[in-house]
Amino acid sequence: GEDVEQSLFLSVREGDSSVINCTYTDSSSTYLYWYKQEPGAGLQLLTYIFSNMDMKQDQRLTVLLNKKDKHLSLRIADTQTGDSAIYFCAESPTGNQFYFGTGTSLTVIP
Amino acid sequence: DTGVSQNPRHKITKRGQNVTFRCDPISEHNRLYWYRQTLGQGPEFLTYFQNEAQLEKSRLLSDRFSAERPKGSFSTLEIQRTEQGDSAMYLCASSLPGPLGYGYTFGSGTRLTVV
Repeated sequence: GEDVEQSLFLSVREGDSSVINCTYTDSSSTYLYWYKQEPGAGLQLLTYIFSNMDMKQDQRLTVLLNKKDKHLSLRIADTQTGDSAIYFCAESPTGNQFYFGTGTSLTVIP
Repeated sequence: DTGVSQNPRHKITKRGQNVTFRCDPISEHNRLYWYRQTLGQGPEFLTYFQNEAQLEKSRLLSDRFSAERPKGSFSTLEIQRTEQGDSAMYLCASSLPGPLGYGYTFGSGTRLTVV
């Protein structure tokens, strides 16, 4: 099956940039996604990138896609304490469901 | 419409009992999905409906699990003869047809604990 991998933990100081990395296996996904999950809450779509793009910027978020290496990253500029959460990358090869990574727990230190 | 609603938020049950969860999607969404999330893992797809038709089921959905969406609106997920390994967060999502990400909205989930 599809395999989406992420590092488990990331800790940054408030105001610094955070970079969360992800590798995936299925190159047929039309879109690749980043979701955020806060404690006790459902998943919130942060952003997504079309597979023929290399980069997408959305306010403090920058998504980079390296299709050759099947590598996706999410950069959060000026990280705030409210950004502390678990971040999931996801792909959808068939268009019917998501395959999520294990999630990266981001801790922002004040 | 306030989003995808799931009930109950928490459920504690004894091993061997049956449980049923409900999901109310966003009203204009005709697709509805169920996922399961265990501690420290990302959500795993279980099944999805388009209107009342169940179009896909994961191999994770054992014979003890059944999902229905009788009128193409709300859905129920039933687990029979629960086991401790069923303890997880059960997430529901709904969307419009088309490229994923368009309106795809998750509920807050039902946390099941089997004791």
